Amino acid sequence: GAVVSQHPSRVICKSGTSVKIECRSLDFQATTMFWYRQFPKQSLMLMATSNEGSKATYEQGVEKDKFLINHASLTLSTLTVTSAHPEDSSFYICSAPSLTSGSFYNEQFFGPGTRLTVL
Amino acid sequence: GQQLNQSPQSMFIQEGEDVSMNCTSSSIFNTWLWYKQDPGEGPVLLIALYKAGELTSNGRLTAQFGITRKDSFLNISASIPSDVGIYFCAGQLNIASGSRLTFGEGTQLTVNP
Repeated sequence: GAVVSQHPSRVICKSGTSVKIECRSLDFQATTMFWYRQFPKQSLMLMATSNEGSKATYEQGVEKDKFLINHASLTLSTLTVTSAHPEDSSFYICSAPSLTSGSFYNEQFFGPGTRLTVL
Repeated sequence: GQQLNQSPQSMFIQEGEDVSMNCTSSSIFNTWLWYKQDPGEGPVLLIALYKAGELTSNGRLTAQFGITRKDSFLNISASIPSDVGIYFCAGQLNIASGSRLTFGEGTQLTVNP
């Protein structure tokens, strides 16, 4: 199947700094990518939909000025956590849809996630 | 945001036993998906269901799309230690590439050898 990568896999930063997380579709193009956040022992919560060439669509309660999303190309979306605080510590996962081989349907392929720890 | 009700939250079983978990929603979904997540990794798709009433198998896994479009179940037969992980159901309104997923709360499965 299609491969989605994320970088970095884990990052530790000081409170008040900004952190950029990259999501790449390695062998397919994605006009749309999704960013999720997952706290320990909880489910994935959709934060925003990243749209290539246009503004991201944020879910209710997600601060767009704090979580900056840029989808500059068909294979790359970035999430920047600005002025990070300890409560932003979480597992951030992206996904991108792609047609699976022999199917008419789009499957969501997930990245391996990025563990963010804010001290 | 909207979430699906998934049960049970956790299961502790012996190797070889069968497992069943389910998801319900107050609203209709046109696609139901089941994912497995290992610690520190992203979810991996196990089974996708696209038609109400559909019953689909993938090896030891069997899943069904409820006829009301508001529920789905996943069965795992003859469990093995590598089945350990968190299983999530997810609903999708349509199959368009921009269509978001709504996840259930997850079922933590532990398999004792």
